[in-house]
Amino acid sequence: DAGVIQSPRHEVTEMGQEVTLRCKPISGHDYLFWYRQTMMRGLELLIYFNNNVPIDDSGMPEDRFSAKMPNASFSTLKIQPSEPRDSAVYFCASSISGVGEAFFGQGTRLTVV
Amino acid sequence: QKEVEQNSGPLSVPEGAIASLNCTYSDRGSQSFFWYRQYSGKSPELIMFIYSNGDKEDGRFTAQLNKASQYVSLLIRDSQPSDSATYLCAVSGNQFYFGTGTSLTVIP
Repeated sequence: DAGVIQSPRHEVTEMGQEVTLRCKPISGHDYLFWYRQTMMRGLELLIYFNNNVPIDDSGMPEDRFSAKMPNASFSTLKIQPSEPRDSAVYFCASSISGVGEAFFGQGTRLTVV
Repeated sequence: QKEVEQNSGPLSVPEGAIASLNCTYSDRGSQSFFWYRQYSGKSPELIMFIYSNGDKEDGRFTAQLNKASQYVSLLIRDSQPSDSATYLCAVSGNQFYFGTGTSLTVIP
C-alpha cells in the first residue's frame, strides 16, 4: 500500500479564496483524522471520521472549515474563505481502529497571503 | 487543561547519552499510548507504542507507562545525531490526542 496520500503538497493562495485539501486513506482503515500543525499550537485534531461518518468535529476552528468523506477512499477539507491565520501544515491520518496506530500522510503546507 | 502535556524543550544531550522524554495525560480512560518522531518538514512516524503498565523495549528505545500516575516516558539509549527530531506523545481512547512535542538535539 502506498500509505496515506495527500494533495496538494504545497498550496499558496490569497486571502478570501477557497482552498480544498484532499486525502486518500490506507485501504481498509476505518478511521480518518484531519490535523493542523503550527509552531504555536502543535498538532491539533480538527475532525475525525469512522466508516465515512463524522464523529467529532469539535476541533474545527469555525464555520469556514468543512470536511467530507463521500466514500472510504477519499476525504476533503475545505476552507472558505481562507485567512492568513489558516496558514499551517494540514495532515491527514488513518487508522484501522480508534485505539491503534495512526498513519500520517505527508501533509499539505498551506500558505494564505 | 490539555489532554496530553509534554515539556517542549529543547532538550540537548551529547552523543551516546540517554535521552529521557516525558508525557502526562488527563483521561484515565485512555487505552493506548504512542511515541511518534517527527523530523523537520516531515510527517510524524510511529516509533513505539505501549498498552500495559511497565516497560517495553525495542532496540535503543524503551517506553514506560504508569497508568496510576498517568505518565508515559520514552528513553533513548546511546543517542545518535540522527535521533535529533521532535518527539510527540499520543494517547488514544475514543480519539487520538497529541502533545505539542519535545524537541531533541543530540550533539556529536
